[in-house]
Amino acid sequence: EAQVTQNPRYLITVTGKKLTVTCSQNMNHEYMSWYRQDPGLGLRQIYYSMNVEVTDKGDVPEGYKVSRKEKRNFPLILESPSPNQTSLYFCASSPSNTGELFFGEGSRLTVL
Amino acid sequence: EDQVTQSPEALRLQEGESSSLNCSYTVSGLRGLFWYRQDPGKGPEFLFTLYSAGEEKEKERLKATLTKKESFLHITAPKPEDSATYLCAVQSRRSYIPTFGRGTSLIVHP
Repeated sequence: EAQVTQNPRYLITVTGKKLTVTCSQNMNHEYMSWYRQDPGLGLRQIYYSMNVEVTDKGDVPEGYKVSRKEKRNFPLILESPSPNQTSLYFCASSPSNTGELFFGEGSRLTVL
Repeated sequence: EDQVTQSPEALRLQEGESSSLNCSYTVSGLRGLFWYRQDPGKGPEFLFTLYSAGEEKEKERLKATLTKKESFLHITAPKPEDSATYLCAVQSRRSYIPTFGRGTSLIVHP
């Protein structure tokens, strides 16, 4: 089954404790991206990757890092999480850089 | 800066009561306009892409249309299973970053 898999789905952590949200897709897509979704603000892109070893900032990259060492994986790293990073995070992939995205199920992160 | 405004924010319909959702946009050179459906606790699910004014796409009870300033998602004879949040997004020729609207929450009562 074609899918984008994110882990963990739910996480509660404390300020400053580094964490990684993993994302993996099994569709051989070149393009992958991370979004956060907040009430009243909608979906905002954090980072995107056009291909292996190619990443670029989206609209809200501050406080986040990403890497793309393999085509299928695109982890999101929060080096020192803060409460304003409490949000619902989505990973998405696409066969090319279009807006036709396949989204994961989401990861709900709470930073205390 | 690309902008997307969706209206209404919320819509309640009776089963069978047709209606339309609006997506107004401003973009520097439209590359594509996209509609998604999002169920509670799930990631958005892609529905349609529209590329140019006058284009229409259909899927079951949904029909998406596009003008130079806005898109409509028409829902004909909706059923309770059509209840979801519908998201609109645009992608400009200048940027690779899709801009999403805040969505319209649709509830269809049986």
